[in-house]
Amino acid sequence: QSVLTQPPSVSGAPGQRVTISCTGSSSNIGAGYDVHWYQQLPGTAPKLLIYGNSNRPSGVPDRFSGSKSGTSASLAITGLQAEDEADYYCQSYDTSLSGSVVFGGGTELTVL
Amino acid sequence: QITLKESGPTLVKPTQTLTLTCTFSGFSLSTSGVGVGWIRQPPGKALEWLALIYWDDDKRYSPSLKSRLTITKDTSKNQVVLTMTNMDPVDTATYYCAHRGIAASDAFDIWGRGTMVTVSS
Repeated sequence: QSVLTQPPSVSGAPGQRVTISCTGSSSNIGAGYDVHWYQQLPGTAPKLLIYGNSNRPSGVPDRFSGSKSGTSASLAITGLQAEDEADYYCQSYDTSLSGSVVFGGGTELTVL
Repeated sequence: QITLKESGPTLVKPTQTLTLTCTFSGFSLSTSGVGVGWIRQPPGKALEWLALIYWDDDKRYSPSLKSRLTITKDTSKNQVVLTMTNMDPVDTATYYCAHRGIAASDAFDIWGRGTMVTVSS
């Protein structure tokens, strides 16, 4: 079981908006640690998609956005495209685990 | 431009020790705030963080694997080495190293391509 909880899968039609949740606790997200999101296309290494809860690295389309509230965070993708079909992971740190890195279990996005 | 590349054996036997090397360029591991982490991914499964070493030689390990892991750095060679003892078939995975960037709020902003390690007799 992952420390951060994500839905195993989400889906949406092209052009739609989808959101992926990442639920933590008072020892990680709720403790003030930033949440980061990674996109992993099939057969490739993960790529940083959102850092510091809501910031996009250079080159990431503004269709991707992130937010954080309390002990949870969310990734939103608007104007869904076929190329967005991938696995998405959230990541933070945890005080109860001596500052360990924690990942969510990943969410598989299917574009219908 | 930051790049990282993992290297090591593709096949190890059960009970053996795995040694993986991450060779990087484009940054210095002596720069304040910088870190290099190791993350693995069994086939078809989720990412699992293993270890992280900081510029000041502070080291953090996954609590569930701490007894088996050692992470070290060689700043002069721009390398980070991860050793994992007592390998088991469940340790079969792709192993990634990644740069932890202060400019990216401590996220893993650049990843290597990964190296697949199979544990089998």
